[in-house]
This record gives sequence, C-alpha cells and structure tokens, in this order.
Amino acid sequence: DGGITQSPKYLFRKEGQNVTLSCEQNLNHDAMYWYRQDPGQGLRLIYYSQIVNDFQKGDIAEGYSVSREKKESFPLTVTSAQKNPTAFYLCASSTGSGAGDEQFFGPGTRLTVL
Amino acid sequence: AQSVTQPDIHITVSEGASLELRCNYSYGATPYLFWYVQSPGQGLQLLLKYFSGDTLVQGIKGFEAEFKRSQSSFNLRKPSVHWSDAAEYFCAHTSGTYKYIFGTGTRLKVLA
Repeated sequence: DGGITQSPKYLFRKEGQNVTLSCEQNLNHDAMYWYRQDPGQGLRLIYYSQIVNDFQKGDIAEGYSVSREKKESFPLTVTSAQKNPTAFYLCASSTGSGAGDEQFFGPGTRLTVL
Repeated sequence: AQSVTQPDIHITVSEGASLELRCNYSYGATPYLFWYVQSPGQGLQLLLKYFSGDTLVQGIKGFEAEFKRSQSSFNLRKPSVHWSDAAEYFCAHTSGTYKYIFGTGTRLKVLA
C-alpha cells in the first residue's frame, strides 16, 4: 500500500540535544512538507520541499533543519536552538503539481522534551 | 493575508443528529478548499475537497460540504452523526501554490 510513514511515533529528548524525525513516502510525490501541531493552533508549516535537493522555509523554521537527498525521504532535525520543541509533528506529501492538489499525511511523531 | 477561520472550537451532538461545522476563508480568488479529519494521536485524513464546478461536494463517510462564494464559507455537514465521527476536523485552503492554510480545528464530541 502506498502511503507515508513517520518514525518514531514517540520521541523523548533532553534539553540541548538534537533529534531527527523520519518521514518516508512511496507515493512518488514530488512535494513534501513538515508541520507542527500544538493544541488550539492548527497546523503550522515548518519547511517544504518541491523537489529533490531543494527546500524552503515555512512560517516557523527557526530551530529546525531539513534535507531532501532522495525523493521519498524528508527528515526533520529539531535542533537545540528550538526553544519549545514539545509538540506533535506531521509530515505530508502531494504530487506537487501546484494546482491545489491534496496533501497526504503521515501518522505523526510526538516529541517531548524532558 | 490568507486565513481560515473555524469559529467553533468544540461541538457536541447526539448520535443520529445532524452536524454542521463552519469554515470561513479569506482569499480574493476562488481557493482550493479541503476538509480533513484527525483522530487522537493520528495524522489527517482527507474528507473532501472543492476546486471548481458544483458547489456541493460529496466526500467520504457520508460527509458533504457546500462552497458559498458570497459568504466565503465552506461548511461541512452530515445528516446523521455516528459515534465514530468523534474527532477533530480541520478546514484548509490553498491558492494553488505550495502554501496550505489550516484552520485551528473543531473538536467534535458525540453523545450516545
């Protein structure tokens, strides 16, 4: 079955540590996205990538970094510079046609800073 | 600036009752509009989408939504709610770029 996988489902981090969240898709989609979800705030865009080896900052990119070395993979690193990283992180993908195509979402990773 | 407003944070309905979740968007041209559903601790699943044409859109799980340009609204409806519909619902739009704007969500509780 085609879809998006995120790992791990739960992640615990000590303050000052960097952590990397995995996102893989086998939908052959060009575009991939990372969102952060906090209660009552909806989804906020962290980074997005339209094509391999290219990505752009979203609305809340500070303290985060990404890479897009392969079409199917878009890992997100939460760095120690992110002041309040505890949140639910969602990865999504779309065909990237730019014509309002729907986004497909992974199951999410819940990150907790101890 | 583009925005999506979901004015109801929480809604409670009895099983079997009808449901309407409100969504208003702010965008000059006709946007691409979506409704997603999220169960606790899960990702988002697309219920339906509107691009153009017929303003009444049918989706999965018995949901429908109506696009009203004059009111800048895209409300989600279901004639008879089931207990399994309890979840959080998000309205979203995009202008056709890579920028998707999501509302803050409406949490639905269903009473048995």
